[in-house]
Amino acid sequence: GENVEQHPSTLSVQEGDSAVIKCTYSDSASNYFPWYKQELGKGPQLIIDIRSNVGEKKDQRIAVTLNKTAKHFSLHITETQPEDSAVYFCAAHSPGAGSYQLTFGKGTKLSVIP
Amino acid sequence: ETGVTQTPRHLVMGMTNKKSLKCEQHLGHNAMYWYKQSAKKPLELMFVYSLEERVENNSVPSRFSPECPNSSHLFLHLHTLQPEDSALYLCASSPDRGFYEQYFGPGTRLTVT
Repeated sequence: GENVEQHPSTLSVQEGDSAVIKCTYSDSASNYFPWYKQELGKGPQLIIDIRSNVGEKKDQRIAVTLNKTAKHFSLHITETQPEDSAVYFCAAHSPGAGSYQLTFGKGTKLSVIP
Repeated sequence: ETGVTQTPRHLVMGMTNKKSLKCEQHLGHNAMYWYKQSAKKPLELMFVYSLEERVENNSVPSRFSPECPNSSHLFLHLHTLQPEDSALYLCASSPDRGFYEQYFGPGTRLTVT
């Protein structure tokens, strides 16, 4: 089945700096890649996603890039703010895993230092 | 209420108790999910329902029993749980087959004593 690896597991950045989180996946047929943000005491919140026919997608300060050849995708957060501090999860949808299943990475705890 | 709601938010139960978790989605979606989130582990998909029909069951022990009476409500019935079942249980919903974006509730923090 699909396997998703996420790095780093923890990341600390100064306020205003950029943060990058990387994920790799194993199934070349995977076609949908969402990113979730989970704040303390809350459920994961979908913040951005990308499909396999697109190489990059931006939404204000966040962007996701996808490299299908290398089978990796990354989350980029620019001009980080303290409220960006949270755990971020990547995921991938593999058609071979069923129509509904997402495979998640283990998460990255991002701390933005004021 | 908007989005996906879950009750209770916290639950402590003994190994011989029976309890139920409730999830309700107000998004008009057709698919609903139960996930288990444990420390240091990826999110684990437990069950998927589409239009009240169970479509996936990922080798979950029978002490967890799901119920989906309609496309807006999802329950997880718990009985004779083990301490290792202590975790955050998350409910999610998505529009339908082929629409993969999932929207999560806040979760129920379960502690089994």
